Parts: sequence; structure tokens; C-alpha cells
Amino acid sequence: GAGVSQSPRYKVAKRGQDVALRCDPISGHVSLFWYQQALGQGPEFLTYFQNEAQLDKSGLPSDRFFAERPEGSVSTLKIQRTQQEDSAVYLCASSLLGQGSSEAFFGQGTRLTVV
Amino acid sequence: AQSVTQLDSQVPVFEEAPVELRCNYSSSVSVYLFWYVQYPNQGLQLLLKYLSGSTLVKGINGFEAEFNKSQTSFHLRKPSVHISDTAEYFCAVTLSGSARQLTFGSGTQLTVLP
Repeated sequence: GAGVSQSPRYKVAKRGQDVALRCDPISGHVSLFWYQQALGQGPEFLTYFQNEAQLDKSGLPSDRFFAERPEGSVSTLKIQRTQQEDSAVYLCASSLLGQGSSEAFFGQGTRLTVV
Repeated sequence: AQSVTQLDSQVPVFEEAPVELRCNYSSSVSVYLFWYVQYPNQGLQLLLKYLSGSTLVKGINGFEAEFNKSQTSFHLRKPSVHISDTAEYFCAVTLSGSARQLTFGSGTQLTVLP
């Protein structure tokens, strides 16, 4: 497809369960970002990749959160031992260049509900 | 670190009326500014961006925004809104130069009434 694709669109996890969220960026895009959007809030930065290198993970809220992009394309955000406060929409964005001026294209997000 | 403030969490307006959504930012260095729109259960779509040059920026769907450096503002305007403009609008900022993450405001829900 032409856009950023995220799967699954919806995920319900029991507290303590591990989850994996997938992001397929636009082909050829160098930069990839993960954001967390809590209900009624703006997205908040989690982590940033340039190709396969994770250049910034300062936004990851705890060591239960882990992200990877091993071949510089598809990325996975993994959350271990999910907690209720992890319930949010997780957004992935990609941009062509590694520059702030390069437009970021967002996926539709994965809505995670921890019960 | 930079921050973004959207003072109005909800803005109701009648169809065909003008609207202004306010955005103020805080940063000690040069920034790029963006407005995104989010429709229900959708991702974010870029409306417009300010990188440099003319302070009046025109975007899609008839929206425009004006960068005011002295007031550190980037307000979004549309002279005549439609029902289809009902959505959540986010102002965002990033540091100019190399790739950096976007810092978003908390959003403004625009509701256009018939």
C-alpha cells in the first residue's frame, strides 16, 4: 500500500500479557517514529529509528517497552507484562529523510486496551 | 526542551462561520511548526507546516496559519467551515535541522454545527 500500515488495529490484552505491535512504513522512508496517544491527549514520543539504528529511545516509559527495526523497514513495538496504564493508541510515523522538515506520515494506529 | 499549548480543548462553531484554533509554543531554539488533523479512528494527516520564509502558510482544505515569532504563536484559521471539518486538530513543533520527534499540543476538538 501507499501509506503507513499498522497491525493489529485493535488489541485487548490481559494485564501481565506481552504484546507486539507492527508498523510497515512507506517503502524507502528512512525515519520511523513511535508515539503513544492516551485518551483525550496529543501523541507523545516514544522512540525514533533512522534506518535500522535506534537513535532515540528517551520516550519509552519503562524497560517493559522495547522497539526494533532490524532490516530498516518494518518495526515492532513490544510491551512486556502489560499494565492498565499502557492502554492507549500507539501511532507509527515514517518520513522520507532524516530531517525535521521532512513530512511525517502517520498510520491509523493500534488501540491497545489492557484489562 | 520545546512545548506546545493549545488553550482551547473544544471549539464549537456554526457551518460557514470563520474559525481560529490557537497554538502557542515555547522553545529557546529555532523550530518548525505543524498542524495535523485527526478524524475519528484515523491517523494524523498534515494540514500545513511552517519551515521558513513567508509567515503566512496555506494548507489543504482551505486552512491557513500565521507564524508570529514575537508572540510565539501559530494559530490556525479557516474563513468558512464545513460540517466535514469536524475533527481533532493538533499543533506540533520540532527542532529545525536534523530529524527530531514532534512535540504535540493536547489538541482542539472542532465541532461544526449545522
